[in-house]
Amino acid sequence: GAGVSQSPSNKVTEKGKDVELRCDPISGHTALYWYRQRLGQGLEFLIYFQGNSAPDKSGLPSDRFSAERTGESVSTLTIQRTQQEDSAVYLCASRGGSFLVETQYFGPGTRLLVL
Amino acid sequence: QKEVEQNSGPLSVPEGAIASLNCTYSDRGSQSFFWYRQYSGKSPELIMFIYSNGDKEDGRFTAQLNKASQYVSLLIRDSQPSDSATYLCAVKSATGNQFYFGTGTSLTVIP
Repeated sequence: GAGVSQSPSNKVTEKGKDVELRCDPISGHTALYWYRQRLGQGLEFLIYFQGNSAPDKSGLPSDRFSAERTGESVSTLTIQRTQQEDSAVYLCASRGGSFLVETQYFGPGTRLLVL
Repeated sequence: QKEVEQNSGPLSVPEGAIASLNCTYSDRGSQSFFWYRQYSGKSPELIMFIYSNGDKEDGRFTAQLNKASQYVSLLIRDSQPSDSATYLCAVKSATGNQFYFGTGTSLTVIP
């Protein structure tokens, strides 16, 4: 596609439920990032995928958070047993294949509200 | 200490004035620096990146980098109301693939 897409655009869930967020990166982009942005805050790094390398999970806030990516395509971020503090916008970004190309292109985000 | 620090603002400037946005970072080894603009309710979009000390100009935007002072700035000349947004400074980790973002500076350009 022309840009990074994310689904759903909005998600309302009840505390304790699991949610799955999806990201479709720009075709050909080998690097993919997930960020969390709480209201009025900056972007908080969650996880990074690069090709078939092991992901950098150092930003995941707890073991309730996990993410997968199949090759260089779609990624899913799963939050288990959601808590109210998980309410935020979850942004996905992809980056070009060359290590010299460091510009990230962001998707529109998924706005998650945990009641 | 946060990896990247910005004044949260809000910063208000009159239309046509120069807006100056500042950012400091803690990782002395960082080599890549980025400015993103984020309109309310939208995702960030890249304005400029800078790798070398000094100034880099692109239209009305100038990024300035001083690695010795660990300081990055963004100047917006001839500010327009459409420049009203939150500006995020981002720094790429020297040792990994993480990008550290500041909390952003809210800019309002008053017509």
